[in-house]
Amino acid sequence: DVKVTQSSRYLVKRTGEKVFLECVQDMDHENMFWYRQDPGLGLRLIYFSYDVKMKEKGDIPEGYSVSREKKERFSLILESASTNQTSMYLCAISRRPLGYGYTFGSGTRLTVV
Amino acid sequence: GIQVEQSPPDLILQEGANSTLRCNFSDSVNNLQWFHQNPWGQLINLFYIPSGTKQNGRLSATTVATERYSLLYISSSQTTDSGVYFCAVHTSGTYKYIFGTGTRLKVLA
Repeated sequence: DVKVTQSSRYLVKRTGEKVFLECVQDMDHENMFWYRQDPGLGLRLIYFSYDVKMKEKGDIPEGYSVSREKKERFSLILESASTNQTSMYLCAISRRPLGYGYTFGSGTRLTVV
Repeated sequence: GIQVEQSPPDLILQEGANSTLRCNFSDSVNNLQWFHQNPWGQLINLFYIPSGTKQNGRLSATTVATERYSLLYISSSQTTDSGVYFCAVHTSGTYKYIFGTGTRLKVLA
């Protein structure tokens, strides 16, 4: 079975902290994605990566950055967390080409206080 | 861009009942997936179904690509089927899947 592991299920951070969300896959898939999910707004793409050291902005990249130094790991970074970044964060992977479909991790519920 | 609409938005069933969830999309797609989001928030892939019919236990799905819709059938529903069901589509030349707004299902014991 494909495994996508997100480092924390629940996380509470303070405003202004630097926050790292980690996503690790064990299936050697090329594409990795970070989404956030909010009530009434659905799933919105923050960033994605199609190869090591490659990254592309999604629909809502402001306030976030990403890192992909190794194929299996894709990190989402909140440089200075704010309360409006309180959300459910979901990591997804897929093979190339993208038409093969997504597999999601279990998600991280981040609360910024 | 492509629009993806799901119906109904909410559904309440008694355990043992059957249901049909619908996903309409406004343009041709390369792929379509159905997901179940469980109460803990994880999105579980149910079907990868760009066209045709697939079955997995009590669940089955049919996509009629020429008419731009997909249906998810749940038979003999159980309380563990509760959650939100999403369809997501991928079109040529795009870098992501587009998600529908979801159907929230509650199955009562």
